[in-house]
Amino acid sequence: DTAVSQTPKYLVTQMGNDKSIKCEQNLGHDTMYWYKQDSKKFLKIMFSYNNKELIINETVPNRFSPKSPDKAHLNLHINSLELGDSAVYFCASSQDGWTADGQWTLEGEQYFGPGTRLTVT
Amino acid sequence: AQTVTQSQPEMSVQEAETVTLSCTYDTSESDYYLFWYKQPPSRQMILVIRQEAYKQQNATENRFSVNFQKAAKSFSLKISDSQLGDAAMYFCAYDQGGSEKLVFGKGTKLTVNP
Repeated sequence: DTAVSQTPKYLVTQMGNDKSIKCEQNLGHDTMYWYKQDSKKFLKIMFSYNNKELIINETVPNRFSPKSPDKAHLNLHINSLELGDSAVYFCASSQDGWTADGQWTLEGEQYFGPGTRLTVT
Repeated sequence: AQTVTQSQPEMSVQEAETVTLSCTYDTSESDYYLFWYKQPPSRQMILVIRQEAYKQQNATENRFSVNFQKAAKSFSLKISDSQLGDAAMYFCAYDQGGSEKLVFGKGTKLTVNP
């Protein structure tokens, strides 16, 4: 039973197109993330949502827009795709391990989806 | 399936001292990457250090170094001259080379005492 799923697994498209990647988690977590993995395998966080509210919004082009219809879903929409957008995108979810006063509750491990390899031609 | 184990839920260190965080992993693959990520209360995920499995030399980044023991499947992180800003959750992560498979450990909370 898949915990964090992403669709599609592979996405090949042309420059200028608009595309979406969907993410769903069935773990009951309250926090979801989008990461971009570069060619050196570095993970860079793009967005994080907690209970459908945006809590991390890194400096990414505004062509990228996350949408969280509910706690279990966090979709990534990309407008006007560029060659440099080619990468692997990972969705992840966790229970928010941090409390409001900066304490860690030992529950915040992240579970990752299988990744979506986006190729822009 | 690949697994990553961090056996220390919490660690503490005095400022300016050295601390080592442990990580073990299980895989039957030979091509993979290992990472340590740091997550402060801001919930950012900050890359600390990266190691390719095919490299025997241990990776170092300033005050951060790893002890990579491939045969033992161990990947510990050493933080030298600890600073207050090092306090965070530290996650060990495994990335399967050639495929998109990413596994994180449960994390170790590091407290730095002044």
